[in-house]
Amino acid sequence: NAGVTQTPKFQVLKTGQSMTLQCAQDMNHNSMYWYRQDPGMGLRLIYYSASEGTTDKGEVPNGYNVSRLNKREFSLRLESAAPSQTSVYFCASSPQGTAPYEQYFGPGTRLTVT
Amino acid sequence: DAKTTQPTSMDCAEGRAANLPCNHSTISGNEYVYWYRQIHSQGPQYIIHGLKNNETNEMASLIITEDRKSSTLILPHATLRDTAVYYCIVRVAGGGSQGNLIFGKGTKLSVKP
Repeated sequence: NAGVTQTPKFQVLKTGQSMTLQCAQDMNHNSMYWYRQDPGMGLRLIYYSASEGTTDKGEVPNGYNVSRLNKREFSLRLESAAPSQTSVYFCASSPQGTAPYEQYFGPGTRLTVT
Repeated sequence: DAKTTQPTSMDCAEGRAANLPCNHSTISGNEYVYWYRQIHSQGPQYIIHGLKNNETNEMASLIITEDRKSSTLILPHATLRDTAVYYCIVRVAGGGSQGNLIFGKGTKLSVKP
């Protein structure tokens, strides 16, 4: 099992450019999540998908869109990147969205917007 | 969700037990206590969780006080690889946004030789 995989690992964008961060899990999990982590801070939830076909906003959704393509894949899109979106982005999955299930995290995508 | 309070940083000698405290004095009856850790530049890693009783797994032990207002994560024999930021998170047993993890700043544990 690869677990949770994310692509790309690193990306540099210019202000106004768009890009899509990809996430896939091979654990047959129902729920998937996107977080961002700024330097010295904890993770903040951007969007989540409790199950295939559903998505909901988290704490910091502005400037992002998501697509739950199928049960395995959950993508995060920046339509017009801004320097404030410079961050490390983590994808996670869990068997279900309800406790007590733990979340499994990917290795992260390091995004710089200049 | 209940907020948690953790020390900003702690040191521990290699081979000794690391005891990481967490205060969650406003925890409600249906909220679990979770611990995750994040080794530098990696994604967070689940460690353990509990509701009322003490829990132990291959990584750590979780001690929850009887009133559930605080807990302690114990790494019994800390190694250099345990150097990481440790997050204590309280999470309701519900779906939707109620079940989401809320990460604070955590405790930076430094294990020293």
